[in-house]
Amino acid sequence: ILNVEQSPQSLHVQEGDSTNFTCSFPSSNFYALHWYRWETAKSPEALFVMTLNGDEKKKGRISATLNTKEGYSYLYIKGSQPEDSATYLCAFIHTDKLIFGTGTRLQVFP
Amino acid sequence: EPEVTQTPSHQVTQMGQEVILRCVPISNHLYFYWYRQILGQKVEFLVSFYNNEISEKSEIFDDQFSVERPDGSNFTLKIRSTKLEDSAMYFCASNQGGIAKETQYFGPGTRLLVL
Repeated sequence: ILNVEQSPQSLHVQEGDSTNFTCSFPSSNFYALHWYRWETAKSPEALFVMTLNGDEKKKGRISATLNTKEGYSYLYIKGSQPEDSATYLCAFIHTDKLIFGTGTRLQVFP
Repeated sequence: EPEVTQTPSHQVTQMGQEVILRCVPISNHLYFYWYRQILGQKVEFLVSFYNNEISEKSEIFDDQFSVERPDGSNFTLKIRSTKLEDSAMYFCASNQGGIAKETQYFGPGTRLLVL
């Protein structure tokens, strides 16, 4: 059974703090990894699609890195803001299906 | 910016009833997907659809489920005889080039409650 794990499950930080969380996935037969940001009552919003070992992608204050050999990706948020509060999901591609992790629920307090 | 829409946002039904969940994908997208999330669990892939055919389906997507693109804009998921365990949030998604190549664009979901 393919398993995608995310940690921590939830995180509470103060506004201005930088934070990061992890997505672990099977390292064999890697094709791509997706990161999504999902605010309550809204559609999951795409952040990154990562395909190459060593990839580093950035969107504003959010960035992500990828290590396909050891099977992990980190998502970083620099200077967290209350509007960053959301669940961050990663999803691993396997035989053209997205296999999702449980998500990391981030709460940023002003 | 174009977005994926889903109707209804909430649906309550009795066990054994048929439900149809509707999605309008982004207009120039060619690949369509359904996912679901049972409360407290992971988002799970149900089915992918391309060129008017199912291209991939999960073990969850049994004979009780079907998908259809009845016209040029709607993409529907039908559950023939709902069970209590079908209660979940159902998400539709679409993209242009296929699942692994690019981002999928998700709708806001339909929350289905089976009583």
